[in-house]
Amino acid sequence: DAGVIQSPRHEVTEMGQEVTLRCKPISGHDYLFWYRQTMMRGLELLIYFNNNVPIDDSGMPEDRFSAKMPNASFSTLKIQPSEPRDSAVYFCASSYWGGGDQETQYFGPGTRLLVL
Amino acid sequence: AQSVTQLDSHVSVSEGTPVLLRCNYSSSYSPSLFWYVQHPNKGLQLLLKYTSAATLVKGINGFEAEFKKSETSFHLTKPSAHMSDAAEYFCVVSGLYGGATNKLIFGTGTLLAVQP
Repeated sequence: DAGVIQSPRHEVTEMGQEVTLRCKPISGHDYLFWYRQTMMRGLELLIYFNNNVPIDDSGMPEDRFSAKMPNASFSTLKIQPSEPRDSAVYFCASSYWGGGDQETQYFGPGTRLLVL
Repeated sequence: AQSVTQLDSHVSVSEGTPVLLRCNYSSSYSPSLFWYVQHPNKGLQLLLKYTSAATLVKGINGFEAEFKKSETSFHLTKPSAHMSDAAEYFCVVSGLYGGATNKLIFGTGTLLAVQP
């Protein structure tokens, strides 16, 4: 398997612009997680899905952030409008509930976002 | 509620000497514990995990960790450091609480430097 795929790997944008981050989880995985990593706050869970349904979005910082999972193989995290403080590395991870490995999350390479 | 504390933010060792990265956890439930590694500008990779089986867990690249319930610790060790071990290491706790969820709680990370 190719692992969790994220795109783009790097994104530079200007304040006020819309940013869309994409994630393809490992085939067969039924959980998908979005994290944000910054020097100040470390790794934060933003939102996670189970079978394409958002389960917990309590980590989403504010209404400017939204996430969708239209099908089992694709998810997006959107920031509109973007602000400089959104600059961070955004990770997507997936896991499979079953087979004794349900708590192990597999991470993508991340998207480095810089908002100018 | 679960939490995890990494006792050292930076550890520096010489190549060929032992590595010890310390982690203490707090959990109201029987925890699952993980160590993840993040190399510069890379995603997170699972090193090893403990899920209530053997208390001494062996992982990839010669790393191992021992679960000690009496000390609420899950320290990561390696007998002999290699230059390629230089990275950031995260201790992570998970646990079922309030329902079928597998949220991971990350420590703040320990940056391991390996000197030649």
